[in-house]
Amino acid sequence: AQKVTQAQTEISVVEKEDVTLDCVYETRDTTYYLFWYKQPPSGELVFLIRRNSFDEQNEISGRYSWNFQKSTSSFNFTITASQVVDSAVYFCALLGSQGNLIFGKGTKLSVKP
Amino acid sequence: GAGVSQSPSNKVTEKGKDVELRCDPISGHTALYWYRQRLGQGLEFLIYFQGNSAPDKSGLPSDRFSAERTGESVSTLTIQRTQQEDSAVYLCASSLPARADTQYFGPGTRLTVL
Repeated sequence: AQKVTQAQTEISVVEKEDVTLDCVYETRDTTYYLFWYKQPPSGELVFLIRRNSFDEQNEISGRYSWNFQKSTSSFNFTITASQVVDSAVYFCALLGSQGNLIFGKGTKLSVKP
Repeated sequence: GAGVSQSPSNKVTEKGKDVELRCDPISGHTALYWYRQRLGQGLEFLIYFQGNSAPDKSGLPSDRFSAERTGESVSTLTIQRTQQEDSAVYLCASSLPARADTQYFGPGTRLTVL
């Protein structure tokens, strides 16, 4: 079975704090893709990152970084020095065998000033 | 260029009525996907088209749901005899052939069934 688990339903931090959003996935495929999306209050889905299973290097993009660990089937997302504009629901996803994206239930991040 | 568009953006209907939701993919994107997002939930995959063919319809929640696609263009998701539990945002995405790893999402249609 293919599955994505985001155990954190809601997280609240104060601006400038660092925050890590957890994502654990299950798949029997040896080749797979993982994703993070942001959904701000306006509702649109904003693509953040795609990572394939061949590449275990961690990635940094500005204040965002991703830690991919195949050994623990995790693909965690860290926001450094969070800002109010980071407030959103964040979804982790796995590309399924049909080409569909399998999403976790999302983590709602609230960043307070 | 234009992204994925969906219409209507909002739809309010009465229980028992039929609704049609439309998706216009990016030009050249032969793959098209429908997802549903219930309030406070993640996205749930409904159906996938490659061209106008949908190889697997098992993701559709019930036989009240159907989808079709004209050629490699517009797709319509139809919900017959709507129920309150059908209330959700319906999102459409498209991708190039064999590029399911790069799906572009539309803004969604918010369906409210009273």
